[in-house]
Amino acid sequence: RKEVEQDPGPFNVPEGATVAFNCTYSNSASQSFFWYRQDCRKEPKLLMSVYSSGNEDGRFTAQLNRASQYISLLIRDSKLSDSATYLCVVNPQGAGNKLTFGGGTRVLVKP
Amino acid sequence: NAGVTQTPKFQVLKTGQSMTLQCAQDMNHEYMSWYRQDPGMGLRLIHYSVGAGITDQGEVPNGYNVSRSTTEDFPLRLLSAAPSQTSVYFCASKTGLQTGELFFGEGSRLTVL
Repeated sequence: RKEVEQDPGPFNVPEGATVAFNCTYSNSASQSFFWYRQDCRKEPKLLMSVYSSGNEDGRFTAQLNRASQYISLLIRDSKLSDSATYLCVVNPQGAGNKLTFGGGTRVLVKP
Repeated sequence: NAGVTQTPKFQVLKTGQSMTLQCAQDMNHEYMSWYRQDPGMGLRLIHYSVGAGITDQGEVPNGYNVSRSTTEDFPLRLLSAAPSQTSVYFCASKTGLQTGELFFGEGSRLTVL
């Protein structure tokens, strides 16, 4: 089993709709969680950190479910510019600063 | 703001050739790392460094060497290129904090024929 798993998609989303997807992780002692965004042929960039209590940044909401070992990302009122690959990133306990990346979930927002 | 700078952006090698991918950051970050990204595989850690003079292996270190003589620079060396090393390579850096944001270079596309 991969340490961090994501549905590769693509998730085809009508503009203005809501889309949500999950990421599962295998190390129950993982401590830090992040969502990164990667545009086609570009470098990944931090979208948001994921906190235990869940957190929101504009149209984006991230949640952590430790019991079931997954994090989620929800995008409301999808924009064409939200089309990208969303990478789930986990910092396992004891790994220091090493981060483990999921394979990414591709989201395509269409008019 | 320069951030993380990688060179070259594109490179074509023949099997057996050697080359060095350069990476420099101007944010005084302690942690630097190299990833490769292949279709369907996500980003995989090759080597990383937690400070000048300190390097360690990641998930896929074979065929690659690194050194960290200064805080700013973290070059990645391919000793004898193989077609399996055809990939997109990203250098990334962050502060020593576990929650710190990882900043990436723009990537280097390497093709080994």
